[in-house]
Amino acid sequence: QVQLQESGPGLVKPSETLSLTCTVSGGSVSSGSYYWSWIRQPPGGGLEWIGYVYYSGHTNYNPSLRSRVTMSVDMSKNQFSLRLNSVTAADTAVYYCARYLTVSDYGDSLDYWGQGTLVTVSS
Amino acid sequence: DIQLTQSPSVLSASVGDRVTITCRASQGINSYLAWYQQKPEKAPKLLIYAASTLQSGVPSRFSGSGSGTDFTLTISSLQPEDFATYYCLQLNAYPLTFGGGTKVEIK
Repeated sequence: QVQLQESGPGLVKPSETLSLTCTVSGGSVSSGSYYWSWIRQPPGGGLEWIGYVYYSGHTNYNPSLRSRVTMSVDMSKNQFSLRLNSVTAADTAVYYCARYLTVSDYGDSLDYWGQGTLVTVSS
Repeated sequence: DIQLTQSPSVLSASVGDRVTITCRASQGINSYLAWYQQKPEKAPKLLIYAASTLQSGVPSRFSGSGSGTDFTLTISSLQPEDFATYYCLQLNAYPLTFGGGTKVEIK
């Protein structure tokens, strides 16, 4: 059973960089079958896809955040990471990591999710 | 970006009711649509992918239909554990986008 677990600071100051790591167990980030995604959800709000990273280092970011986002993979630790710079209060949200499965016949999905971690941006 | 519009935003229903949630895309997305259930303080859970394929382990009272721009999620007989918020997600084009959510609450 694949499991994902987010980790990182729960409080970040405005203008600083938010850094989160997702540790994968029961599966490998080096598998070519999956992309590794980040999604966020502000308190009481909806879901926003931030982007994905592939084991090769290929990335695809949401244009709304592209100028501030960096994602990477560490295959030696079976982890992938998110960095979001120049944060403001609007970046306060629960951040989820998820496995993005792409298959034939329209069967793509975000099939496994971490439990989420709340990151608050405040001084 | 492809916009997904869910309706209704809030649905009041009773145990045993048949419930239908709709998701309309701003442009055609073939069948690249998934449905998720989210309970408070929990991560979304995949229910359906490819618009109508039930994820393994999901009860058969959940079903999905549609293609192109109009999709539905149906719960044939609402159970107490089904009171939650439901989201659709399109995976036809980047950026991936979610619907605004439908909260199913107890009537």
